Amino acid sequence: EPEVTQTPSHQVTQMGQEVILRCVPISNHLYFYWYRQILGQKVEFLVSFYNNEISEKSEIFDDQFSVERPDGSNFTLKIRSTKLEDSAMYFCASSEEKAGGNRPHFGDGTRLSIL
Amino acid sequence: SQQGEEDPQALSIQEGENATMNCSYKTSINNLQWYRQNSGRGLVHLILIRSNEREKHSGRLRVTLDTSKKSSSLLITASRAADTASYFCATDANTDKLIFGTGTRLQVFP
Repeated sequence: EPEVTQTPSHQVTQMGQEVILRCVPISNHLYFYWYRQILGQKVEFLVSFYNNEISEKSEIFDDQFSVERPDGSNFTLKIRSTKLEDSAMYFCASSEEKAGGNRPHFGDGTRLSIL
Repeated sequence: SQQGEEDPQALSIQEGENATMNCSYKTSINNLQWYRQNSGRGLVHLILIRSNEREKHSGRLRVTLDTSKKSSSLLITASRAADTASYFCATDANTDKLIFGTGTRLQVFP
């Protein structure tokens, strides 16, 4: 079965630095998502992306966050100036249809540690 | 309560026993999904049940959905030590995103 791949698996960054998390969605999927999970807590929606623009974002997704699909295959999440509270597992997902249509496929996640 | 709350928060059983986890939600949905997560790892999709379905099976898993009560249950039969994980329900709430529950931590003792 095709997979969503995320790199790196673990990223350690100093507070205040920029970080880019990368994802390669499944090739024929049209909808792309980022979620995060702070250690021990539930998975939270960050942003959805369709047709080269953000379709929905949560309150967490403030001006420090941005997403991009630079080359038609990668889907990236950038955090401009990281804070300690950005430490979390970040999951990328993609789907053929909107979340209400069928299931999104999740990557294995990137663990982001902010020092 | 939040959209997507599981109970119990934690469940400990012996191998061979059945494990039942419940999920409640607040808004209307198109579908409800159950995911499994081993400690510190990724999300593994288990089952998707649509709002017009009442029950679904996959191997040792059985999911029910009661839209009138806005609740779902996940039953794992004949549990194994390898079933030890956290289990989350997730709903779409008629939006373009999934809203995850708080999860049930299942411990299966050999």
